[in-house]
Amino acid sequence: GAVVSQHPSRVICKSGTSVKIECRSLDFQATTMFWYRQFPKQSLMLMATSNEGSKATYEQGVEKDKFLINHASLTLSTLTVTSAHPEDSSFYICSARDLRGVRTDTQYFGPGTRLTVL
Amino acid sequence: AQTVTQSQPEMSVQEAETVTLSCTYDTSESDYYLFWYKQPPSRQMILVIRQEAYKQQNATENRFSVNFQKAAKSFSLKISDSQLGDAAMYFCAYRSAGNEKLTFGTGTRLTIIP
Repeated sequence: GAVVSQHPSRVICKSGTSVKIECRSLDFQATTMFWYRQFPKQSLMLMATSNEGSKATYEQGVEKDKFLINHASLTLSTLTVTSAHPEDSSFYICSARDLRGVRTDTQYFGPGTRLTVL
Repeated sequence: AQTVTQSQPEMSVQEAETVTLSCTYDTSESDYYLFWYKQPPSRQMILVIRQEAYKQQNATENRFSVNFQKAAKSFSLKISDSQLGDAAMYFCAYRSAGNEKLTFGTGTRLTIIP
């Protein structure tokens, strides 16, 4: 149980285009999802917290107009990188918090999306 | 602000042996959770083990166990009978009970020697 999927797993796009990444909780409902960015050989950096039905909360230094987050349902959150540039190339990971009884405090992670901007 | 420190960037262990990964954290909170996550080459983050701060008993999950020392703010991970599949980056993470955010350490890369 507690499976989180991401789509696509890899995406290559041209500079200036927008890219949407989906994060889905497959077998549980998640009121809260999280978006992280991970640079090579580094730890995960939280970008934003996504709450179902409300605006996302962005971490300091993260441009909310560049990284649009929508959490329209209890099983789906999307991250859109607008007007992508090569410096946006990175590994993006989502996680979701399981509301079920036993481990409501644990985040479960998706497999990540590698974005390459040419 | 809470910080999580993993002082061992790399560790290696012989297959079937035991290895301990270190993690220390800094917090003024009394109620929190601690986690160890594993990130294999596939990059999928996998929960290894979790510990509630209010529980004195150390968590165990099969070959994985922790040594939680609350006063010392230490949370080490012991892997017994190491297997080739244990090779990965291991991240220690902290979460305050009143906050949903996870704070990660910088990770320890574990290599298993056949």
